[in-house]
Amino acid sequence: DAGVIQSPRHEVTEMGQEVTLRCKPISGHNSLFWYRQTMMRGLELLIYFNNNVPIDDSGMPEDRFSAKMPNASFSTLKIQPSEPRDSAVYFCASSLRFGEAGQPQHFGDGTRLSIL
Amino acid sequence: GNSVTQMEGPVTLSEEAFLTINCTYTATGYPSLFWYVQYPGEGLQLLLKATKADDKGSNKGFEATYRKETTSFHLEKGSVQVSDSAVYFCALSNAGNNRKLIWGLGTSLGVNP
Repeated sequence: DAGVIQSPRHEVTEMGQEVTLRCKPISGHNSLFWYRQTMMRGLELLIYFNNNVPIDDSGMPEDRFSAKMPNASFSTLKIQPSEPRDSAVYFCASSLRFGEAGQPQHFGDGTRLSIL
Repeated sequence: GNSVTQMEGPVTLSEEAFLTINCTYTATGYPSLFWYVQYPGEGLQLLLKATKADDKGSNKGFEATYRKETTSFHLEKGSVQVSDSAVYFCALSNAGNNRKLIWGLGTSLGVNP
């Protein structure tokens, strides 16, 4: 089975530009998570969806960040306008039956974002 | 609240050495516990898990036992290989926290031949 697929793998852009990160979860998984990883702050949960509905966006740093999940097989994380402090690795993960004890999350390989 | 504390790294070992990475947690109720591994340039992968007290998770020679009395889930391997060089994350999920994963900061392991 294909794992979680993220695109692009690398993104370099200038400050002020719009950035869109994409994620395709594992087929049949009902939950999707967006994380950000930096050396300073470690792994941070930004937002997660259950059955395509956003459940908790308390980790989204500010209004410049937005996420959507229009259907069960696709999600986007958008930053507009981007700033240098947004530079990080962004991971998408999905889970089969979120809410059950012991359910793991399956991660994509991440998007390494650099804002100049 | 819920939290996970891991031993700080980096940890550097010689091949075939014994590995322990300590993980302790704070949680109400009965959390599920996980170890994930992140190889360079990749996403996190589930290494092993345990869902109740005294359960032992194991995979690829790694083991961890859910110890409720000491609120610990230490990761062990009897003989590490160079290919085990990675960052290891301890995490918990709890019904009281809507089953979101609560992560440790990660422990970097380097194994020298």
